[in-house]
Amino acid sequence: QTVVTQEPSLTVSPGGTVTLTCASSTGAVTSANYPNWFQQKPGQPPRALIYSTSNKHSWTPARFSGSLLGGKAALTLANVQPEDEAEYYCLLHYGAIWVFGGGTKLTVL
Amino acid sequence: EVQLVQSGAEVNKPGESLRISCKVSGYRFTAYWISWVRQMPGKGLEWMGTIDPSDSYTTYSPSFQGRVTISGDKSVSTAYLQWSSLKASDTAIYFCARHNLKALAGIPYWYFDLWGRGTLVTVSS
Repeated sequence: QTVVTQEPSLTVSPGGTVTLTCASSTGAVTSANYPNWFQQKPGQPPRALIYSTSNKHSWTPARFSGSLLGGKAALTLANVQPEDEAEYYCLLHYGAIWVFGGGTKLTVL
Repeated sequence: EVQLVQSGAEVNKPGESLRISCKVSGYRFTAYWISWVRQMPGKGLEWMGTIDPSDSYTTYSPSFQGRVTISGDKSVSTAYLQWSSLKASDTAIYFCARHNLKALAGIPYWYFDLWGRGTLVTVSS
């Protein structure tokens, strides 16, 4: 069973920069895993932020960016705003199936 | 408006069968895959499986294979998730989400974009 691992929690100050990562138990994450990133706030459905590693949707704020970093997928938030406090999930593709990471709870403090 | 409209909350007993739905509007049903995602109370997202509505091809997470069935009906632009025998551990919110594969300059991109608001399923005796 493939496991995708994210930091359980991170804290960042307003205006700061934070990087969330997404690792695969099968080895290095590559573009062939088509990493997607989502933001979820309490009581809401997830909202798509990034697809296929680094591509933004039309509604994705410019301060969000995606990349591959050290064998992992990464989501970087620059100039963090209070409204960025949320749970963030990555999603990786493995042939015919997809697997979510466990999520990172981002606190803006 | 492009949207995925999910059916309402359900309360069922263990052993009962159930089918919940995800009706699409504002785009061609067969143009996008639909995935189902579980979120147990206070927990993270779990990908359950997906359907290509154009040919009803389905794939499932090993964790959910044999436990649920995903189907689609092109005539009503609706995807379904069903159980034949519910368990208390099926209590969760279930989301549908659309996704697709596109190629730009020969490079493939898989993207998820639109999500339904979720259906709360409560299984209790």
